[in-house]
Amino acid sequence: DVVMTQSPLSLPVTLGQPASISCRCSQSLVHSDGNTYLSWFQQRPGQSPGRLIYKVSNRDSGVPDRFSGSGSGTDFTLKISRVEAEDVGVYYCMQGTHWPPYTFGQGTKLEIK
Amino acid sequence: EVQLVESGGGLVQPGGSLRLSCAASGFTFSSYEMNWVRQAPGKGLEWVSYISSSGSTIYYADSVKGRFTISRDNAKNSLYLQMNSLRAEDTAVYYCARDLEIWGQGTMVTVSS
Repeated sequence: DVVMTQSPLSLPVTLGQPASISCRCSQSLVHSDGNTYLSWFQQRPGQSPGRLIYKVSNRDSGVPDRFSGSGSGTDFTLKISRVEAEDVGVYYCMQGTHWPPYTFGQGTKLEIK
Repeated sequence: EVQLVESGGGLVQPGGSLRLSCAASGFTFSSYEMNWVRQAPGKGLEWVSYISSSGSTIYYADSVKGRFTISRDNAKNSLYLQMNSLRAEDTAVYYCARDLEIWGQGTMVTVSS
């Protein structure tokens, strides 16, 4: 199975400042169809997860443009350009290239300093 | 509005069984692949099972293979997870998810004597 490793696991950020989360995979996520199936999810406190980004850099409907995804191969990044209070929660990366199974990172807890 | 509502969770003894349901609304259920994902208390996300739109293709995580059965009734816009031989480590919130894009609010399963 593909192992997804996120860092940091805890991310204190000042309101209005940028934030960055790294996700590294144990093997390349480039699919034979040419796509890279790497997604990011946000789970706010007490809520169910919601997808933010799919195929590395595509924002889901309704996701603010302060969220962006980038990367290739085995290294990926989620960036928040200016953190707002509503961004507090846990962020997960997930690969859908070498499935089953879908595999998730351990999660990164973003909090306000 | 697209909505997924899980039900059927509860407290069950080790070795017992439980059937989870997920009622879908606001979209053409029969056109979408569905998944179950679980989250143990205070832990990260773990993919459990997948079913194709027609129900003809099914996959399971190794941790539940042979014990859990996923199914769907497209006429009733419903997804199911039959869970047998439950273990303490199956204790988690179980989410149904459409394409891993849209998630329900989850239903809690507690396996304990």
